[in-house]
Amino acid sequence: QVTLKESGPALVKPTQTLTLTCTFSGFSLSTSAMRVSWIRQPPGKALEWLARIDWNDDKFYSTSLKTRLTISKDTSKNQVVLRMTNMDPVDTATYYCARDSGYDWYSDYWGQGTLVTVSS
Amino acid sequence: QSALTQPASVSGSPGQSITISCTGTSSDVGGYNYVSWYQHHPGKAPKLMIYDVSNRPSGVSNRFSGSKSGNTASLSISGLQTEDEADYFCSSYTSSSTFYVFGTGTKVTVL
Repeated sequence: QVTLKESGPALVKPTQTLTLTCTFSGFSLSTSAMRVSWIRQPPGKALEWLARIDWNDDKFYSTSLKTRLTISKDTSKNQVVLRMTNMDPVDTATYYCARDSGYDWYSDYWGQGTLVTVSS
Repeated sequence: QSALTQPASVSGSPGQSITISCTGTSSDVGGYNYVSWYQHHPGKAPKLMIYDVSNRPSGVSNRFSGSKSGNTASLSISGLQTEDEADYFCSSYTSSSTFYVFGTGTKVTVL
């Protein structure tokens, strides 16, 4: 059974760095073709893909946020960490992690998301 | 990268059929057979319902079906049931550097 769960602060101040952790079970990120993506959804807006890390440690970022994002993995802990610097109120959103399986373009399992509010 | 366009809401009575559209461009929906659909009950994890335009994952009811014509993909739900009431969003691979683009989301109400 594949599960993913996001964790991190519910509230961050402007200019701070956000660190989110995705803890998953039911698969290993050391297995070929496994990938984990981060996606966010601001209130009332569409989802936005942020970043992805692959089993072979390849990393991919949204062009518009590339300079602020860092994605990493700890295979032994079954965790993927996303860091976003210089947080702004417009970054207020529910942040999701999701597994992308195989050499295809969809996420087959998602976490339930974690709401992050950026406010002083 | 603009979001894919979905109707804000669709409703139907139990047993009826509904269709949700998802309109993009030739750089995403129209250019690739990589459209997926998700069901999302607020507060829960989104659930994959359709992938690669028309494929159903194991365990998803055959009441759900997907199709595509040009730059518009569609999700159809037949024999509408109360548990189908949820938010639905589409996603597509995009040739832009963001990999994925998502739909604006559709709230399905079972009357």
